[in-house]
Amino acid sequence: AQKITQTQPGMFVQEKEAVTLDCTYDTSDPSYGLFWYKQPSSGEMIFLIYQGSYDQQNATEGRYSLNFQKARKSANLVISASQLGDSAMYFCAMREGPVYGGATNKLIFGTGTLLAVQP
Amino acid sequence: DAGVTQSPTHLIKTRGQQVTLRCSPKSGHDTVSWYQQALGQGPQFIFQYYEEEERQRGNFPDRFSGHQFPNYSSELNVNALLLGDSALYLCASSSRLTSGKKNEQFFGPGTRLTVL
Repeated sequence: AQKITQTQPGMFVQEKEAVTLDCTYDTSDPSYGLFWYKQPSSGEMIFLIYQGSYDQQNATEGRYSLNFQKARKSANLVISASQLGDSAMYFCAMREGPVYGGATNKLIFGTGTLLAVQP
Repeated sequence: DAGVTQSPTHLIKTRGQQVTLRCSPKSGHDTVSWYQQALGQGPQFIFQYYEEEERQRGNFPDRFSGHQFPNYSSELNVNALLLGDSALYLCASSSRLTSGKKNEQFFGPGTRLTVL
C-alpha cells in the first residue's frame, strides 16, 4: 500500500544553517510524484518543490532542494540558509500514477515535521 | 489572480448536526479535492470532483458528501457530526488540462470545524 513516512516529529536549526527533513515512501507504481509542502500556523499548505519518479536530476527551487534516492525510496528536503520565516510544519506527499488527462491527482501525506528556526 | 478560497474560516457545531463547507478554486482550475486534517496529523484525502462528478473517494463514510457546480466551485457536506469530525478541512484545486507534469494542487486556507 502506498505510504509516506516522516520520522522526525520536530527539528531545530540555527538561522543561516542548512537542515534536512527526511521522507521515505512506499509504492509499487513505477510512475509517481513527490511533493513537499510547508504549512505555517495559519493552516494553508504552500507548495515548495516537486520530483517526478522519472526525473533524472534532483529538483531545486531557490533555497529548497530535494535529495531523491529512488532505490532507497527516499525524498529528503534540504533547506539551505534557514530563515526565521521557515519555522512551520513541513509535509512530504506522494501522487501515484502518471499525469494525464482524466487521472486523479490524489495526494498521500506523511505526518509532518515541525521545524523551528532559532536566531 | 485569486487563489483558492474557502468559507467559513471557523465553524462550531454540536454532535448530530449537519455542516456545509464551501470552496472556490483558483482561476482556471477545474478540479477540486477535499482533505481532512486532524490535529497533529497530515491531511487525508476525502474525495475529488471533476466535471461535477465525484472521481475518486478516500476512506470516508457516506456521511461525507460533496458537490461541484458548473463554475467549478464545490461544497463539502457532513451529516450527523461526530466529535471525531473536528478537524481542519482543506480544499485544493488543480487543472487537468494545463497542469503539466506536476499536476500541482493549490490549497486554500482551510475551514476549522469544531464539533462539541
